Amino acid sequence: KAGVTQTPRYLIKTRGQQVTLSCSPISGHRSVSWYQQTPGQGLQFLFEYFSETQRNKGNFPGRFSGRQFSNSRSEMNVSTLELGDSALYLCASSLDGTNEQFFGPGTRLTVL
Amino acid sequence: DQQVKQNSPSLSVQEGRISILNCDYTNSMFDYFLWYKKYPAEGPTFLISISSIKDKNEDGRFTVFLNKSAKHLSLHIVPSQPGDSAVYFCAASAIGYSTLTFGKGTMLLVSP
Repeated sequence: KAGVTQTPRYLIKTRGQQVTLSCSPISGHRSVSWYQQTPGQGLQFLFEYFSETQRNKGNFPGRFSGRQFSNSRSEMNVSTLELGDSALYLCASSLDGTNEQFFGPGTRLTVL
Repeated sequence: DQQVKQNSPSLSVQEGRISILNCDYTNSMFDYFLWYKKYPAEGPTFLISISSIKDKNEDGRFTVFLNKSAKHLSLHIVPSQPGDSAVYFCAASAIGYSTLTFGKGTMLLVSP
């Protein structure tokens, strides 16, 4: 069974731009969560989608948004990029009702 | 306020010895705990989990212990191998939620 895939793997943007990251979950997984990892901060939860609906949301500004499609694929968008948005963005999928989440390799975003 | 704490940023162990990674939590609603391993440039990989109804769970060389009264869990790796060198994250989820709250990680270095 194929794992979680994320595209692109690396991205360089400048301040003020916007970016869209994509995640394809494991087949059959309906829940997709997004996390931001920065040095010294561990993984911080952004949001979770289930059946095209946002089910949970972390403490991030409204510049961070996401969506999920009917095939469970998910995208996250960051508008008006700031230098502090430079991070590894991780997507994880899970079966409904389970806590075990399976992570993709992440997208490394650098904001210049 | 950090709800999941890994107070040791790093740990060095010799090959063949035991590695003990510690994690403390503050939220009494957490009822499921997981450990993930992360290599550079890869997403976290699920290692082992434990429910709050248990105090121990084993899987091969990995054992997780949970002390609910102390709000403390630990991951034991016996025997440690150089391939175990990675960052280990402790994560927790609350009753009724699939969202994971992560610690900041502990970097384990196992030397030959």
